[in-house]
Amino acid sequence: DTGVSQDPRHKITKRGQNVTFRCDPISEHNRLYWYRQTLGQGPEFLTYFQNEAQLEKSRLLSDRFSAERPKGSFSTLEIQRTEQGDSAMYLCACREGDQETQYFGPGTRLLVL
Amino acid sequence: DQQVKQNSPSLSVQEGRISILNCDYTNSMFDYFLWYKKYPAEGPTFLISISSIKDKNEDGRFTVFLNKSAKHLSLHIVPSQPGDSAVYFCAASAPGTSYGKLTFGQGTILTVHP
Repeated sequence: DTGVSQDPRHKITKRGQNVTFRCDPISEHNRLYWYRQTLGQGPEFLTYFQNEAQLEKSRLLSDRFSAERPKGSFSTLEIQRTEQGDSAMYLCACREGDQETQYFGPGTRLLVL
Repeated sequence: DQQVKQNSPSLSVQEGRISILNCDYTNSMFDYFLWYKKYPAEGPTFLISISSIKDKNEDGRFTVFLNKSAKHLSLHIVPSQPGDSAVYFCAASAPGTSYGKLTFGQGTILTVHP
């Protein structure tokens, strides 16, 4: 499978716990994005990586959120001290070079109890 | 501030007929537009896109029209099939200014009846 993969697909956690999600993009795609989608809304941009450099972060990304892409390949998104409002689908997307189309992974659905 | 709006939360059409999904935007910096299809519990799947230098792009049963002066785009699906039933999102980007991040509308639920 040469598409975007995300792990885990589902995560249930208790309020206050830390969670980490992983995204493996298409191998030659150097640009990687994280989005969050809540019920009834479209995906909202969280952060952007070009290779290993995190170049943009949304104001939605509070200080409890951190993202990395250490080797310019896979990326992780960590949420510390989760809150019920963090419950959402977290989506990873990637694109290659100057191509405009972004390709999405299947998402990680987070439920914070 | 909703920069991309899909004002119809849902659309129901008969199999074989045309489906028209609409999208409006407010940010004049947007110059690339995409349509995605999403099934429950899956990520968005890319359907078709259009650059602001064009006013129409076709791919099989899917055609996207762009009216820059009205800041409006639409997706036409002809003929509609039951398998097209999904949530459709339009998205826009301003590649030169924002690293290509996408701004999405709220989505339109399309139901195609056999």
